[in-house]
Amino acid sequence: NAGVMQNPRHLVRRRGQEARLRCSPMKGHSHVYWYRQLPEEGLKFMVYLQKENIIDESGMPKERFSAEFPKEGPSILRIQQVVRGDSAAYFCASSPRAGAMNTEAFFGQGTRLTVV
Amino acid sequence: QKEVEQNSGPLSVPEGAIASLNCTYSDRVSQSFFWYRQYSGKSPELIMSIYSNGDKEDGRFTAQLNKASQYVSLLIRDSQPSDSATYLCAVWGNQGGKLIFGQGTELSVKP
Repeated sequence: NAGVMQNPRHLVRRRGQEARLRCSPMKGHSHVYWYRQLPEEGLKFMVYLQKENIIDESGMPKERFSAEFPKEGPSILRIQQVVRGDSAAYFCASSPRAGAMNTEAFFGQGTRLTVV
Repeated sequence: QKEVEQNSGPLSVPEGAIASLNCTYSDRVSQSFFWYRQYSGKSPELIMSIYSNGDKEDGRFTAQLNKASQYVSLLIRDSQPSDSATYLCAVWGNQGGKLIFGQGTELSVKP
């Protein structure tokens, strides 16, 4: 049973380019969460999605960032016109339910984005 | 007040000692609590979950929950240098929408 799969593991983009980060949840999981971690800092929540729906995007910057989780395929975190401050590790987690008792969330290996 | 708070550390303990990591949370209705371990440059790894008041033991790890005091702790017995990592406390949001993390406590176990 494969875990949460993220790709690419490392991504280098020039300022102004677009970055697309992919996340395939664990089998049987329909809830996906994206987090950003800057160097030497904690995990910051960005967005929570279920299939075809954005449930909570309170942590997403208002501009340049978007996320989707289509009916088929992985969840995508998209960053347009990247700037150096977007350089960070982006982690995806998945769970089978949303925050119920006995519900655990598991993380993928992350995508390390470097903007040059 | 932050939703989940931890001492950032670093916490340094000698090999073989007990490491005690603490976490407080602000939402009284929270029901589910987790400890993740994150090695430098790696992703968070779930090591303990706890849902009821009291202690839960798994090998060298014991999680303790006190809902009245809104306090969660993690004890690591017989600490090993391989336990050196950042430990993240997490709580499901009150409407179950997201997993909220503390800032993490860096643990260093000295040989």
